[in-house]
Amino acid sequence: QVQLVESGGGLVKPGGSLRLSCAASGFTFSDYYMSWIRQAPGKGLEWVSYISSSSSYTNYADSVKGRFTISRDNAKNSLYLQMNSLRAEDTAVYYCARRGGDYVLDYWGQGTLVTVSS
Amino acid sequence: QSALTQPASVSGSPGQSITISCTGTSSDVGGYNYVSWYQQHPGKAPKLMIYEVSNRPSGVSNRFSGSKSGNTASLTISGLQAEDEADYYCSSYTSSSTLEVFGGGTKLTVL
Repeated sequence: QVQLVESGGGLVKPGGSLRLSCAASGFTFSDYYMSWIRQAPGKGLEWVSYISSSSSYTNYADSVKGRFTISRDNAKNSLYLQMNSLRAEDTAVYYCARRGGDYVLDYWGQGTLVTVSS
Repeated sequence: QSALTQPASVSGSPGQSITISCTGTSSDVGGYNYVSWYQQHPGKAPKLMIYEVSNRPSGVSNRFSGSKSGNTASLTISGLQAEDEADYYCSSYTSSSTLEVFGGGTKLTVL
């Protein structure tokens, strides 16, 4: 069965960096686009970034462009999100999700909490 | 402010039907058939319920249905059950640079 397991969240000071990972299993990882979505405490979902199956294409929300970098390692079945210059407003649960079709997120991980605070 | 507009809350009694709307523009909901709906229970990850406006993934109850008219998409849940109480989010492709947007979410309460 499809499984997505995020890790790497934690408490970081404003201006700091963090790298999130998402370990995928149960499907051919290299066949699928992948996305990161976040949810601030008590708020709605916000799309963050996506990456194509071969890493050829990436896209970012305006709120993270220039600060976050999405990447993947198909040999390791893993998705990453490098987050730099973190701000308080980046505090959220970060989910990785598989894009099962055109703009469809068919499987989600359980999320990892990132807290940006001094 | 979310790009897609949803009501903050809706409610219904067990057995009833409810509809949640998701209003966008011709640059997203109205222009493309890439509208999805997600269900999220408290503390849990979102779950895909509807994709491409009206398609149900395998395993999702046929009590859930989707439709679209103009710039507004809708999720209808018939025969409401207690387990349907959750937050629901719509999403759509958009011709803007971000390509994907979510609605602000709707809290469904089963009375």
